[in-house]
Amino acid sequence: EDQVTQSPEALRLQEGESSSLNCSYTVSGLRGLFWYRQDPGKGPEFLFTLYSAGEEKEKERLKATLTKKESFLHITAPKPEDSATYLCAVNAGGTSYGKLTFGQGTILTVHP
Amino acid sequence: DADVTQTPRNRITKTGKRIMLECSQTKGHDRMYWYRQDPGLGLRLIYYSFDVKDINKGEISDGYSVSRQAQAKFSLSLESAIPNQTALYFCATSDWDDLTPRDTQYFGPGTRLTVL
Repeated sequence: EDQVTQSPEALRLQEGESSSLNCSYTVSGLRGLFWYRQDPGKGPEFLFTLYSAGEEKEKERLKATLTKKESFLHITAPKPEDSATYLCAVNAGGTSYGKLTFGQGTILTVHP
Repeated sequence: DADVTQTPRNRITKTGKRIMLECSQTKGHDRMYWYRQDPGLGLRLIYYSFDVKDINKGEISDGYSVSRQAQAKFSLSLESAIPNQTALYFCATSDWDDLTPRDTQYFGPGTRLTVL
């Protein structure tokens, strides 16, 4: 069974204080790992897709990396507007073909 | 205009009522999905459709049914609503290509459903 575990559950940062969010996964053949941002009461907003170990992608203050067992979302010098829930999801092969399995999310709060 | 739209955005109903949630997309994607989100349980897949004639159950399909009326429209029905179906419901779409990784799912704004 595909599993995705995100840590920490919640993270509080001061503005400018860099940190990382973790996404550990267990799947039978990774076809893609996805990061989303979700604001309260809204739909998840796509951030990144990573397909193979060693791959990295960046967007503004965010950088996503991937290994064979986990992914990190690095946040550099965060601002209050980066406060949101960050979701990780995997797309695996086999019987999970074409479907996403989501983690529980990390709630990020950035204080000014 | 939004690429993925959901109606209604909010709905309050009573136990036993039949409810339909609708999803429309202008992205031209073949694949569409219905999820529900509950605090502490994350996003869970209810049904998915890879094309108009292909509909599949997700991990929590009991109590739900779907209809794919066209490539752009995918509806979710609760035949007889019960209080534990109170949740946020999201529709998503994706454009799948086995040769080129293009399987990102794009989500709608959600429907907040309350069953009293």
